Amino acid sequence: QVQLRESGPGLVKPSETLSLICTVSGGSIRSHYWSWIRQPPGKGLEWIGYIFYSGSINYNPSLKSRVTISVDTSKEQLSLKLSSVTAADTAVYYCASGGLDAFDLWGQGTMVTVSS
Amino acid sequence: EIVLTQSPGTLSLSPGERATLSCRASQSVSSTYLAWYQQKPGQAPRLLIYGASSRPTGIPDRFSGSGSGTDFNFTISRLEPEDFAVYFCHQYVTSHTFGQGTKVEIK
Repeated sequence: QVQLRESGPGLVKPSETLSLICTVSGGSIRSHYWSWIRQPPGKGLEWIGYIFYSGSINYNPSLKSRVTISVDTSKEQLSLKLSSVTAADTAVYYCASGGLDAFDLWGQGTMVTVSS
Repeated sequence: EIVLTQSPGTLSLSPGERATLSCRASQSVSSTYLAWYQQKPGQAPRLLIYGASSRPTGIPDRFSGSGSGTDFNFTISRLEPEDFAVYFCHQYVTSHTFGQGTKVEIK
C-alpha cells in the first residue's frame, strides 16, 4: 500500500526558507495529485498547494508568493519550499494524496518550528 | 475563498449516543466536493466521507454524511470509544478550505 513520509529540519530561523521532502513508497508518484497541508499547533488545517508529476501546480493564493512545490519522479519525492518564514509558519506539515479531490492518504506529518 | 463554519465547537456525548455535526459554507458547494475527516491527538487526519455522503473502503457505516448547497451534516450513529476525536469538513470545489473543527468529547 502507498505510504507517505515527510522529512526535513524541525527548526528554521525567521526570514529563512523552510524545505521539506515527502517520500512516496509502495506506489508511483505519477499516479496521483499530491498536496501539502499544514496545521499550526492547536489550530485547523490549511492547504498549501498541489502538484501533478506532469507539471500541473496550484497554490493557495495566501501563500503563493512564498511557496514552491516540485516533484522528483526518479526519487518518488515531492518537495515544499516556503520562503521568508515567520513564527506564523510554525506548524505540522503534512503531505497527502489529492489535489482535485479529497485527501485520502496522509503522511504522519512533521513539526516545523520557526524560531531564532 | 469559501469559508466553512462548523458547529458546535464541542459536542459532549456518551458512548452509544448519536452525534450530529454541522458544516455551513459561505457559498454554495456542490455536494461532489465536500469531505469529512477525523483527527486524533498526534495523528494525521483520516478521510471518512467524500462527495458529501460516500465512504472510502474500510470506513464503518456508522459514519454518514448528507447535505447540499451550503448546509452539510455528518453523523455518527452510535459512538464507539475510538470515535472521540476532532472532525473537520473540507470543500474542494474552489481551491481547498477546511472548517475549524468540532471536538467530540466523552461526557
